[in-house]
Amino acid sequence: ETGVTQTPRHLVMGMTNKKSLKCEQHLGHNAMYWYKQSAKKPLELMFVYSLEERVENNSVPSRFSPECPNSSHLFLHLHTLQPEDSALYLCASSQDLAGASPNEKLFFGSGTQLSVL
Amino acid sequence: RKEVEQDPGPFNVPEGATVAFNCTYSNSASQSFFWYRQDCRKEPKLLMSVYSSGNEDGRFTAQLNRASQYISLLIRDSKLSDSATYLCVVTLTGGGNKLTFGTGTQLKVEL
Repeated sequence: ETGVTQTPRHLVMGMTNKKSLKCEQHLGHNAMYWYKQSAKKPLELMFVYSLEERVENNSVPSRFSPECPNSSHLFLHLHTLQPEDSALYLCASSQDLAGASPNEKLFFGSGTQLSVL
Repeated sequence: RKEVEQDPGPFNVPEGATVAFNCTYSNSASQSFFWYRQDCRKEPKLLMSVYSSGNEDGRFTAQLNRASQYISLLIRDSKLSDSATYLCVVTLTGGGNKLTFGTGTQLKVEL
């Protein structure tokens, strides 16, 4: 148990559906992240939040919409996704912003395996 | 050139063997280095940080070569439970999030 909880673990959705992924961290961390992991590709950073403020958006299509209502919760709202969006979506947190201080470590949730039909 | 490059493997080794992975990075300004481990269908977990002088944690030894821009991970006396994908992670510090992952190297330890 890493202290980062993601739900749901699995999600199958059609291209016209709207769904949300939820992440909660119990570690008192200040930074939270969404990553996408596709087969044979490195983890792709999607969004970064520090103290509830979005600090990075890596050219992610608008069909992905993040929300960070407080420092413990992070959502990823999904709308009109494409089949190529099928992947493992990982939430992570760190005490402070990774890259802003050396040796900052990420703690990952178990991920949501998303399939878009 | 990829920012962080790893041999994807798989590396198939017998139990008890010593195995080494390398990882190269393209940005010479990179300042922090890590190895993460990811089991099949699970999330990545930090294995160890990599320090300039090299560091050891039990059967695992990590080394950094800044001149050649690579880091390495050595696993001695491999166990079946070491079977996983090992992710090389490189961070640029000094503003913004510049934490970059490699694609990972798959290790299979066999009887």
